[in-house]
Amino acid sequence: AQSVSQHNHHVILSEAASLELGCNYSYGGTVNLFWYVQYPGQHLQLLLKYFSGDPLVKGIKGFEAEFIKSKFSFNLRKPSVQWSDTAEYFCAVANTGFQKLVFGTGTRLLVSP
Amino acid sequence: EAGVAQSPRYKIIEKRQSVAFWCNPISGHATLYWYQQILGQGPKLLIQFQNNGVVDDSQLPKDRFSAERLKGVDSTLKIQPAKLEDSAVYLCASSIGTVSSYEQYFGPGTRLTVT
Repeated sequence: AQSVSQHNHHVILSEAASLELGCNYSYGGTVNLFWYVQYPGQHLQLLLKYFSGDPLVKGIKGFEAEFIKSKFSFNLRKPSVQWSDTAEYFCAVANTGFQKLVFGTGTRLLVSP
Repeated sequence: EAGVAQSPRYKIIEKRQSVAFWCNPISGHATLYWYQQILGQGPKLLIQFQNNGVVDDSQLPKDRFSAERLKGVDSTLKIQPAKLEDSAVYLCASSIGTVSSYEQYFGPGTRLTVT
């Protein structure tokens, strides 16, 4: 069965600091990978996704993630965080061609101004 | 474009009572999902519909949970009878189709508290 691990449950950063959130998945086949974000009081929304091709994918609001197949990882990065990035971030994996998403437990990010 | 609508937003019931949640997906979206998100965990898929047919309900506790999607549009999720461990946020999502390349759009969720 697929599983997703997010090792950082809570992260606190100051504005302008760099961000990296870890995500590792367990699955033997070809996968599609996603990062979702939930801002306070808002719906869960897609931040970025990887299906194939360039393992470095760019998403909205300056976020990017790198797929490293050998490490089963899909870490999320942002060079300089803003207070508005305060949110909960979820990594998710799905079989290729099938939309069943398996989510990690999430990472709560607090950015202090 | 209107998003995924869910109601009610909050519900408090006692254990052994029944409860129902409603979801209206984005117009034209053939695929509808119900997720359960327990505090401190990520969303877990309960059931997936393609139009009005069930694609995956492997994680739905069928002894107490049921869901339907009449006419391939709106959907209801019911719990009967509720247990304390059913306290969670129930999220509805929709997408154009079942293929992974289609983005899932989530609703605001219904927060259920079972006392």
